[in-house]
Amino acid sequence: QSALTQPASVSGSPGQSITISCTGTSSDVGGYNYVSWYQQHPGKAPKLMIYDVSNRPSGVSNRFSGSKSGNTASLTISGLQAEDEADYYCSSYTSSSTYVVFGGGTKLTVL
Amino acid sequence: QVQLQESGPGLVKPSQTLSLTCTVSGGSISSGGYYWSWIRQHPGKGLEWIGYIYYSGSTYYNPSLKSRVTISVDTSKNQFSLKLSSVTAADTAVYYCARDIITGSVVPAACGMDVWGQGTTVTVSS
Repeated sequence: QSALTQPASVSGSPGQSITISCTGTSSDVGGYNYVSWYQQHPGKAPKLMIYDVSNRPSGVSNRFSGSKSGNTASLTISGLQAEDEADYYCSSYTSSSTYVVFGGGTKLTVL
Repeated sequence: QVQLQESGPGLVKPSQTLSLTCTVSGGSISSGGYYWSWIRQHPGKGLEWIGYIYYSGSTYYNPSLKSRVTISVDTSKNQFSLKLSSVTAADTAVYYCARDIITGSVVPAACGMDVWGQGTTVTVSS
């Protein structure tokens, strides 16, 4: 069981927007702005999409955005494209001795 | 452009020690501002953080693996390494090295892994 809770799957049609949630506790997501999101295509290494809750690394499309409310962080993808179909993972720093926790991952299907 | 490359045996026997090295190119591991991480992914499963190291040698480990893990750094070779002892079939996974950005003042928090190696598959089997 992962420390952060994500939905197992989400889906959307091209052009639509979807949101993936990531729920933790006040020791991780709720307590720090160190939430990051990763995109992983099959057989590939993860790619950083969002860091520090809402910041996009250079080169990441502005269709990707992040936010946080309380103990839940969210990744929103607008204008869905076929290439967005992938697994998405959230991660957070935690004040527990675990230091870094991941969510279980969400499979995004573009219909 | 910083790049990371994992290397090491793809097959390890049960009870032996898994040893992997991550070579950093295009930048210096000693430049500061980053933790150097190891993450693994079991077949068909999610990501699991193993631990990270600062160039000075400070290490932080996942408590579930701490008794078996050692991460070290060799700044002269611009490399960092992972050793996982007493392996079993449950340690079969793709192992990634990554660079984790330090942006704030909370130690040892990092804000996101912006550079990843391609990953190396390690199978534990006799």
